Formats: sequence, C-alpha cells, structure tokens
Amino acid sequence: AQRVTQPEKLLSVFKGAPVELKCNYSYSGSPELFWYVQYSRQRLQLLLRHISRESIKGFTADLNKGETSFHLKKPFAQEEDSAMYYCALDPNQGGKLIFGQGTELSVKP
Amino acid sequence: EPEVTQTPSHQVTQMGQEVILRCVPISNHLYFYWYRQILGQKVEFLVSFYNNEISEKSEIFDDQFSVERPDGSNFTLKIRSTKLEDSAMYFCASGNGGNQPQHFGDGTRLSIL
Repeated sequence: AQRVTQPEKLLSVFKGAPVELKCNYSYSGSPELFWYVQYSRQRLQLLLRHISRESIKGFTADLNKGETSFHLKKPFAQEEDSAMYYCALDPNQGGKLIFGQGTELSVKP
Repeated sequence: EPEVTQTPSHQVTQMGQEVILRCVPISNHLYFYWYRQILGQKVEFLVSFYNNEISEKSEIFDDQFSVERPDGSNFTLKIRSTKLEDSAMYFCASGNGGNQPQHFGDGTRLSIL
C-alpha cells in the first residue's frame, strides 16, 4: 500500500534549536517526495522536493531508500518557521499526491 | 508569480443541495486536481484531470461528485446532493505532470448544515 506517515502531530522547539520533522513512506517503486508548508491561514506551498536536492529557507531533506524516510531538517529553527508541514508522495509522476497527517511546528522565542 | 485561485473562500449549504466549487488553475498548467481535508485529518486526493478527462479518481469521488473544465480557464468541482460528511476544506491544484510540483489554491471551506 502507498502510504506516508508523519509520526509527530506537534513539534515544539525553541528558537535556534535544531529541528527534524519525520516522514516515512511506503511505496515499492522509485518515489517522488515533496515537503509542503502551510503558514497560518495561507495556502499549501511547496517547500522542497527530493529530486532537486536543494535547501530552501535553511531546510534540507534527504531521501533514505533503505529506511524509506524523507525527514526534513533545519539546524537552527526560527520563529517564522512555525507552520504545518506536510510530507507528500507522488507515486505516478504527475498523478495524485499522497499526504501524511502533517506536523505542526511551533518555534518558541 | 502566478497563483491558483479558488472561489468562494467559504460556502455554507443546506444538506441535499448542490454546490459548485470553482478554481482557476495557473494558465500554462495541463494537469488539474481536487483534494479535500476534513477538519483534523490529512489532505486526501479526490480527482485528477488531464486533456479534458478524468485521469484518476479516489474512492471518495463517487457519483455525487463531478468535475468540469467549462472553458479555457475554470475548473469546477460539483457535489450533486451534499451530505454532512462533505464538510471539509477543498483544495484545487494544478501542475505540469512528470516530477513537477503541484501548486495549490487557498481552498474553499465547505460547511454543510
């Protein structure tokens, strides 16, 4: 079955602390994986995708096929990073996205 | 930067009534999608649309649902006879397929009374 799991519903850290938002996927093929972010009252926005291997707003995510994970990391969290973060799997290259439950990141001053 | 736009932002409808949610995808995109998010739950895929026809639909997308691209710009989701459990946030998205990301609208909050 194709599935995305984000085990933490809420992650609360202090400003300047490292952050890791966990994402595990279940998919037998070669996955296309994305992280989307939703700031308060705003739309879902693409944060990054594994294929581009880029760093956006200090966030990085590495695909680990052995552990079927795509964890999102940032070394020093900022208050403006507070948002909902969704990991998503695209099993069909341009078809549906399968989302995880989302993790709410709260960065305290 | 071009955006996906959705109207209305909030729709309140009596149970059993028909509702149409509207979306204007990004103009050079070829693939269109609807998702929904029931309060407190994950974002769920409903349907994808390409080349003027449905390319994939989920189990949620039953006979009560339909999609249409009536002209060159709009993409609509119709729910024929709404039920209480249709209350959710409905997101439209568009993209160009392949490994290109999907771009989402702000969503329409649908409340069924």
